[in-house]
Amino acid sequence: AQSVTQLDSQVPVFEEAPVELRCNYSSSVSVYLFWYVQYPNQGLQLLLKYLSGSTLVKGINGFEAEFNKSQTSFHLRKPSVHISDTAEYFCAVTGFNYGQNFVFGPGTRLSVLP
Amino acid sequence: NAGVTQTPKFQVLKTGQSMTLQCAQDMNHNSMYWYRQDPGMGLRLIYYSASEGTTDKGEVPNGYNVSRLNKREFSLRLESAAPSQTSVYFCASSVVYGYTFGSGTRLTVV
Repeated sequence: AQSVTQLDSQVPVFEEAPVELRCNYSSSVSVYLFWYVQYPNQGLQLLLKYLSGSTLVKGINGFEAEFNKSQTSFHLRKPSVHISDTAEYFCAVTGFNYGQNFVFGPGTRLSVLP
Repeated sequence: NAGVTQTPKFQVLKTGQSMTLQCAQDMNHNSMYWYRQDPGMGLRLIYYSASEGTTDKGEVPNGYNVSRLNKREFSLRLESAAPSQTSVYFCASSVVYGYTFGSGTRLTVV
């Protein structure tokens, strides 16, 4: 069965510091990978996605992620965070056999401290 | 440019009561989904509809029913609400690997 692991449930970081949010997945088929962000009391917004091609993917708000097939990882990074990046971040996976259905990780709460 | 609209935004039910959560999208997407979000568990798929006229169970369908009324609308019904159904419910629609989510319905069953 497919699954997504987000190793850190909470990540506190000071403003302007770099951050990495970790995501690992398990799947027996080729996958497509996504990061979504959820601000308080809102729905989920797409940050970035990997479908094919370059393994380094750039998204909105200065975030990027790198697909590593050998390590089955898709970690999210930002070189310098802002207070406004405080939110919950979800990694998700889907694939050809998923029927467009996503499997979501449990989420990582990023808290940016002044 | 509304995207995915969910109603209501908040609801409190007593155990045993029924209600329907409404979802509508204006992006002409074929696929629509209902998820529930619980702390520490991410989003779990309740039901989905790959196209108008079809519905399928997801990971946690027990206690729920759905109706794909037309291409735009996909409703979720709780026939007899239970406290275990206290959650935040999200509707989403998609066209080939691109989900758009609604803003959610926060449901409390007491």
